[in-house]
Amino acid sequence: DAGITQSPRHKVTETGTPVTLRCHQTENHRYMYWYRQDPGHGLRLIHYSYGVKDTDKGEVSDGYSVSRSKTEDFLLTLESATSSQTSVYFCAISAGGPTDTQYFGPGTRLTVL
Amino acid sequence: EDQVTQSPEALRLQEGESSSLNCSYTVSGLRGLFWYRQDPGKGPEFLFTLYSAGEEKEKERLKATLTKKESFLHITAPKPEDSATYLCAVRTKMDSNYQLIWGAGTKLIIKP
Repeated sequence: DAGITQSPRHKVTETGTPVTLRCHQTENHRYMYWYRQDPGHGLRLIHYSYGVKDTDKGEVSDGYSVSRSKTEDFLLTLESATSSQTSVYFCAISAGGPTDTQYFGPGTRLTVL
Repeated sequence: EDQVTQSPEALRLQEGESSSLNCSYTVSGLRGLFWYRQDPGKGPEFLFTLYSAGEEKEKERLKATLTKKESFLHITAPKPEDSATYLCAVRTKMDSNYQLIWGAGTKLIIKP
């Protein structure tokens, strides 16, 4: 596995509560991504980062925010969790950006009740 | 609209029974096609990248091929440990932006 960890690995929360997921990498890769994976759908990009404090939206960014204060850490925050945000969340990294291969973390399973 | 479709959704094979998984795409500008393997409860694991029609890549019992409209992942004499979900993704470029479009995956089950 590429040096990517995600925490927590599992979380159950209630509707309306804020939730923060963490992705940590030891590869010193510039680009980091957050995806969600739902049954019957391909992976969908939520947000990505192309450097410290540089982030941009993906195709399903509503209800999510991100922050990257250090190269190794990329945080995903659900401002006010909803049941539609129940999903498995994956972090990915790539060295050279959108033209480079992405490597994935182990995922976080989030359940919003 | 750019689209990636994988078929079948699920495939059950006996150990040793060779077959192929399909990834068909309709995109405006192909900049690479990726195959990943995903085991239950884990993140996708990179297998191959293909860039142009006619290109082939192999790894153990897997061989990926690419045409102008689709890619095949051929599995020769599979073993139970090849059981996983196989994901396909296509990278496209529109204006100056790249995007990665993912298929929903094919779940492969190899029975001993």
